[in-house]
Amino acid sequence: DADVTQTPRNRITKTGKRIMLECSQTKGHDRMYWYRQDPGLGLQLIYYSFDVKDINKGEISDGYSVSRQAQAKFSLSLESAIPNQTALYFCATSERQTRGASGGSTDTQYFGPGTRLTVL
Amino acid sequence: QKEVEQNSGPLSVPEGAIASLNCTYSDRGSQSFFWYRQYSGKSPELIMFIYSNGDKEDGRFTAQLNKASQYVSLLIRDSQPSDSATYLCAADSGTYKYIFGTGTRLKVLA
Repeated sequence: DADVTQTPRNRITKTGKRIMLECSQTKGHDRMYWYRQDPGLGLQLIYYSFDVKDINKGEISDGYSVSRQAQAKFSLSLESAIPNQTALYFCATSERQTRGASGGSTDTQYFGPGTRLTVL
Repeated sequence: QKEVEQNSGPLSVPEGAIASLNCTYSDRGSQSFFWYRQYSGKSPELIMFIYSNGDKEDGRFTAQLNKASQYVSLLIRDSQPSDSATYLCAADSGTYKYIFGTGTRLKVLA
């Protein structure tokens, strides 16, 4: 089974509808992220969560909300979908890795398979 | 504003050649840098990360970091058609967040 799963994988909805995208992970990571990807614009951070009680806005959070139901689950909601929210959405988790002799640590992110959302 | 810049490509190389992908970053405070491969319509897959100046090798991949020049590169030796994908460079921006570049599309010609 995949370590990071997203449901649904594809969704077509209409303007004004509420929609929820779900992410589950079996990696045991505390940190989880939601990104959207548009052609030519790269990955943009929507929200991130360092644990169940710590949720933070990313660079493009307007129009979105999130819920961290458990360590393993992080959901993204569009309260009233609009066409410019049509994009590929990715959930990611991260684990801390030490940098060895140089000291410090690095968070390495792992992505789910993505949800293709189309808002008509 | 913190940025990571990549040439969008496409970069075309013949099969068996070395592909060289480049990335520059603006935040001198970034400590770690990541390379991801993304096939069309799929999710990014981590290739490797680097945090020390110099080279880091993993199989056919070598990441190079030059903090003085704020420059990161990825070399792919013996390129294969299956390496054709978009390669994303990312830098940590502090507090466990990444800044991603827009990616370079690589085409390996058989």
